[in-house]
Order: sequence, then C-alpha cells, then structure tokens
Amino acid sequence: DAKTTQPPSMDCAEGRAANLPCNHSTISGNEYVYWYRQIHSQGPQYIIHGLKNNETNEMASLIITEDRKSSTLILPHATLRDTAVYYCIVRVPLISSGSARQLTFGSGTQLTVLP
Amino acid sequence: EAGVTQFPSHSVIEKGQTVTLRCDPISGHDNLYWYRRVMGKEIKFLLHFVKESKQDESGMPNNRFLAERTGGTYSTLKVQPAELEDSGVYFCASSQDGSRWVADTQYFGPGTRLTVL
Repeated sequence: DAKTTQPPSMDCAEGRAANLPCNHSTISGNEYVYWYRQIHSQGPQYIIHGLKNNETNEMASLIITEDRKSSTLILPHATLRDTAVYYCIVRVPLISSGSARQLTFGSGTQLTVLP
Repeated sequence: EAGVTQFPSHSVIEKGQTVTLRCDPISGHDNLYWYRRVMGKEIKFLLHFVKESKQDESGMPNNRFLAERTGGTYSTLKVQPAELEDSGVYFCASSQDGSRWVADTQYFGPGTRLTVL
C-alpha cells in the first residue's frame, strides 16, 4: 500500500471548516483513500473513503486531486468533539493473493478544535 | 445495529500470566481484524480472519499470541505468557466481504487496554 504524509498537528477554530491535507504521491490506480479518526483512546472511527471522485457524507467531504497524489478531508463546521487524531490511509481493496487487506496507520494529524 | 464489541475493556495482569481478549464483530461481517497500539507507537495490524480461517497473520509478534475464531463469529486473542512489552490497547475491527471491485470498510471496536505488570 502507498505511503501517506500528513502534518503532525493542526488547530481550527470552533465553527470553522477544518481542512486536513494528505499527500500520497505514490498511490496506485486501484488504491482507495480512506480517512479514520481516533478520539482520545477510543477505537478508530471510519469517516469517509474515495477512489477518484470527491465524496461527501454526513461527517465530512473528501477532495481528491485530479492526479490523485493528494487529498483533503474537510470538516465543514468543526466542533470541540472533532478534536482527534486523523489518519489518511491508502489501500488496495482487491481480494487477491499478496493483496493486503489490513489498514496501515501512520502517525496521523492531531486536530485540535479551539473554542 | 450493534457495533463491534470487545471484552474486557481493561485488563491488568502480572508478567507470566495468561489473558484472553474477546471480540464480537458486527453481525454478518465475514472479515475480522486484530490490531494493537503499544505505548507511543502507531496502530499495528496483527491478523485477519475471513470467517473462521486465518487469512493473514503476518503481524502477530510471536508464538505467545494465539487467535481463534471458531464458527466464524466471535474471536479470541490469547496471550500466554504475557510479557511487559505486550501492554497496550488491542483493537478489533470487522467488515463485510465486499466484491473484488468494491472497497470494504472496517469498523472498529472500543479496544481492550492491557496492562502487564
């Protein structure tokens, strides 16, 4: 699976949009981009994933550049409860021999939402 | 729909003792994963079950760790004998077995915090 690069920390004012960048310049054509977050010591929480097109759900939006080498997770109106470590993960979903199915977590971005 | 559950939430044992962690995946999910996070380190993959079969156990640290998933439902992870370096948080995740061309999403449990003294 491709390696990702994220800033170690970011701050965001409550009520403002939080834009979390991720670089995945070595991503392959069949690899998806996933975002998870971990609030304090809870289990990682799935946020969103995408392949090529931008995606939006009730939690966030995912913007993937046309060359797919980077992406941005957008939390439109950050709240204090969004303070967490955010992980950007790229992964091959194909079920084939030698194709890893596990998620490979890096160190992520510590997002702190300030009141 | 119930999420992934794990038991116990906390376990404190002495070095050399045995501990068994349990994970109940989301109903109907064929894939079950174990991960762990030791102090100050990143979350690391341990192993992956598809139904009752071990698909990938490349992340298991050594033979003191034994995972089972009898009947393809819940899974247990036994550590015997426990060592100090086994302390950390053990997470379980499950996912449906999506088609070859559809990404499957893993949903995590709250974790079991293991402390070995």
